[in-house]
Amino acid sequence: SQTIHQWPATLVQPVGSPLSLECTVEGTSNPNLYWYRQAAGRGLQLLFYSVGIGQISSEVPQNLSASRPQDRQFILSSKKLLLSDSGFYLCAWSVLQNYGYTFGSGTRLTVV
Amino acid sequence: GQQLNQSPQSMFIQEGEDVSMNCTSSSIFNTWLWYKQDPGEGPVLLIALYKAGELTSNGRLTAQFGITRKDSFLNISASIPSDVGIYFCAGQLSSDKLIFGTGTRLQVFP
Repeated sequence: SQTIHQWPATLVQPVGSPLSLECTVEGTSNPNLYWYRQAAGRGLQLLFYSVGIGQISSEVPQNLSASRPQDRQFILSSKKLLLSDSGFYLCAWSVLQNYGYTFGSGTRLTVV
Repeated sequence: GQQLNQSPQSMFIQEGEDVSMNCTSSSIFNTWLWYKQDPGEGPVLLIALYKAGELTSNGRLTAQFGITRKDSFLNISASIPSDVGIYFCAGQLSSDKLIFGTGTRLQVFP
């Protein structure tokens, strides 16, 4: 069966520090991968999506970047965190059109 | 980014009551999905709808794909405390990209 792993679950980082959040998917090949951010229990904002290794599309300009070094690995990064980067970050995957996305359990990032 | 209009924004109900929420869009979708997010967790798929007019149930949950393909509703019957969370609708085009609603926060009081 397919599973999605996201870590860490929580993270507290000082302003200006780097960030690396990792997401991996098991049990499927060539998934579409997504990074979402959710601020304070509000809506889901799509940050990046990837349809294959090395292929990244950015939905909104921001202080973050994404990479896909392997088929089932998706990484969210920042060189210098801002206070406004705080939020709940969710990774998701899909393999078939019209079947929706499966989400990871999320990482709560607090920038202090 | 684009989001669907979802209402109500929040609901405070008593255990045992029925709940209804809906989602509307100016765009036509091929698929409508409803997700539930428990506090501190990722959203989990509840119901998927693939055809205009389709009515689908999952336990106490019932959802419908609007005839115009521009709207959907979710009903929860006889609410219980574990129904607490944020409910999101999502519309999907053939391009695989999901457009999410703004969410309905549900609180259930005993």
